[in-house]
Amino acid sequence: QSALTQPASVSGSPGQSITISCTGTSSDVGGYNYVSWYQQHPGKAPKLMIYEVSNRPSGVSNRFSGSKSGNTASLTISGLQAEDEADYYCSSYTSSSTWVFGGGTKLTVL
Amino acid sequence: EVQLVESGGGLVQPGGSLRLSCAASGFTVSSNYMSWVRQAPGKGLEWVSVIYSGGSTYYADSVKGRFTISRDNSKNTLYLQMNSLRAEDTAVYYCARVIAPSGFDYWGQGTLVTVSS
Repeated sequence: QSALTQPASVSGSPGQSITISCTGTSSDVGGYNYVSWYQQHPGKAPKLMIYEVSNRPSGVSNRFSGSKSGNTASLTISGLQAEDEADYYCSSYTSSSTWVFGGGTKLTVL
Repeated sequence: EVQLVESGGGLVQPGGSLRLSCAASGFTVSSNYMSWVRQAPGKGLEWVSVIYSGGSTYYADSVKGRFTISRDNSKNTLYLQMNSLRAEDTAVYYCARVIAPSGFDYWGQGTLVTVSS
C-alpha cells in the first residue's frame, strides 16, 4: 500500500493555470477510474473536488478539472484565485479493496 | 443536511486502547460505505479502514490486527476500536462517507488521538 506520488509543491499567479500530477500503479490509478481529489485548508477537513477521475460534485467550481492517462492522474486548476491556496491530495481505489492517498501537494498562489 | 461528528479522541499511553465514534445525521450509515482516514501532525492523509454497507471490512496494513471498524445501526454511528496503540498512531482521525468506490464525499471535523507516555 505505497502512497501515490505527487509533487510536494506547485505555485502559480492569479489567473494562471496549474496542474498537479498523481502517479500510481496498474493496481490503483491505472486499473480503475476511481481517482478522486481533495482540497484541504489549514486546520480544516478535506473537501472533495473531483471524483471518478473527472467528475465535479455539486458546488465545486468548473475551474477544477481532472484527467487520467495510464498510471498518472492530474488535477488542473484554471483561473487561479487566492482562495485556491491549500493542500491537495489525490486518492485511488485499489485492487486490494482499499484506498490509497497521495503524499499531498501544497499550492501557493503568488 | 449531511453531518458527521467524531468524538472519543484524547491522550493515551503506548499499548493502550481508545474507541472513536462518528455520529451521522442526514443519511443512513448502514446503507453506505463508511471509512476512517487519519492525518499525523504536519503530514498527509492516510486511509485507515472501511466498512461496506453489507458489513465487509478492510484495513490498511499499518493497523490490521489492531484496529476494528464497526457500526451501530440503531444509533446511526460508526466506530473505530483502536488497540495496542503506538506513537505512530498519533493523528487527527476523520470519518468519511464513501461514494463507493470512487471517493469520500462528506467528512467530519476530526478528533485528535495522541499516543504518548
